[in-house]
Amino acid sequence: SQTIHQWPATLVQPVGSPLSLECTVEGTSNPNLYWYRQAAGRGLQLLFYSVGIGQISSEVPQNLSASRPQDRQFILSSKKLLLSDSGFYLCAWDTGPSRGEQNFGPGTRLTVT
Amino acid sequence: GQNIDQPTEMTATEGAIVQINCTYQTSGFNGLFWYQQHAGEAPTFLSYNVLDGLEEKGRFSSFLSRSKGYSYLLLKELQMKDSASYLCASYGGSQGNLIFGKGTKLSVKP
Repeated sequence: SQTIHQWPATLVQPVGSPLSLECTVEGTSNPNLYWYRQAAGRGLQLLFYSVGIGQISSEVPQNLSASRPQDRQFILSSKKLLLSDSGFYLCAWDTGPSRGEQNFGPGTRLTVT
Repeated sequence: GQNIDQPTEMTATEGAIVQINCTYQTSGFNGLFWYQQHAGEAPTFLSYNVLDGLEEKGRFSSFLSRSKGYSYLLLKELQMKDSASYLCASYGGSQGNLIFGKGTKLSVKP
């Protein structure tokens, strides 16, 4: 069966510090991978998605970046966090035949202070 | 442009039926999705409609009318554990990815 892991579960970081969130998927090959952010009172906002190794597309320009060094690994990074980066970060995957039926990881709750 | 609207909050009684509506305006329609999200947790996929009509899955049903840009999620025999946010989503955006509504927070009261 397929599983998706995200870590850390919670994170408190000062403004201006770097960020690295990792997501890994098990039990499937060549998944589409997504990073979302959910801020308080707002909907899920797609940040990045990837259809393959090294292929990253950005939906929203910001101070975040993403990388996919391996087929089932997706990393979200920032060099300098802003207060507005606080939120619930979710990684998700789906596959071509079932595109849209996304499976979400447990999420990382990030608080920038 | 792309837009998905759903009510912000709803309240219903345990054992009752509740209907959560969603209207959408997205380019290149390719299906309407419903997700459930309990507080502090990740969303989980509930249903997918690509053709008009009603899809039933146990206590949950989802309806789609493509001509009206309208969908609803019907929850029957409500249980306390159904208290959650329900997210409507459809394809759109610059790259044709899923766009989510802000969610409807459903509170089930005894």
